[in-house]
Amino acid sequence: DTGVSQDPRHKITKRGQNVTFRCDPISEHNRLYWYRQTLGQGPEFLTYFQNEAQLEKSRLLSDRFSAERPKGSFSTLEIQRTEQGDSAMYLCASSLGAGGPQETQYFGPGTRLLVL
Amino acid sequence: KQEVTQIPAALSVPEGENLVLNCSFTDSAIYNLQWFRQDPGKGLTSLLLIQSSQREQTSGRLNASLDKSSGRSTLYIAASQPGDSATYLCAVPRNRHRDDKIIFGKGTRLHILP
Repeated sequence: DTGVSQDPRHKITKRGQNVTFRCDPISEHNRLYWYRQTLGQGPEFLTYFQNEAQLEKSRLLSDRFSAERPKGSFSTLEIQRTEQGDSAMYLCASSLGAGGPQETQYFGPGTRLLVL
Repeated sequence: KQEVTQIPAALSVPEGENLVLNCSFTDSAIYNLQWFRQDPGKGLTSLLLIQSSQREQTSGRLNASLDKSSGRSTLYIAASQPGDSATYLCAVPRNRHRDDKIIFGKGTRLHILP
């Protein structure tokens, strides 16, 4: 197992285009999270899945954003009609989902999006 | 609403010095606190996780302490090295929920001068 992977690592797009990012979590992990990080800020929660169910969406996730985890394994995050304000690092994380104070999330390398 | 604050925002110290990074949180009803490291343009690496029942955790030259009652944590780095240069993020789970959603501070950007 090589940890959480994300693809692509970098994406440059023009304003108004649609983009899709993929996250492959650690194989036995039930929970998958998406965060967004802008320059000089800590990551901010966007949404998370327990298996294939999307359990929560942040107010940061406008109608232009959609996330899926169809088979409870990999997840995709799509941004429609991108805006310059969408430029950020998009981080994916996964965890076992067993709960408890010792549980940690494992983060992927992120996808850096630049909207021109 | 949980808020996490990290001080200082940036720090430059000569190699070999010991240093302390500070983190404060507004809601003490947490069940753990984590320190992460982030290299420029990269993802996050978990350094230390302190459970609410613990007061400190150590890993090599790193020591993290937790004082829930005062809403504070510190990350102590001994004998700093240029390879320690990175952004260090403090993070706590969202209060009163056990779904692991994490609230992050803005981080401390550390630069170790050779």
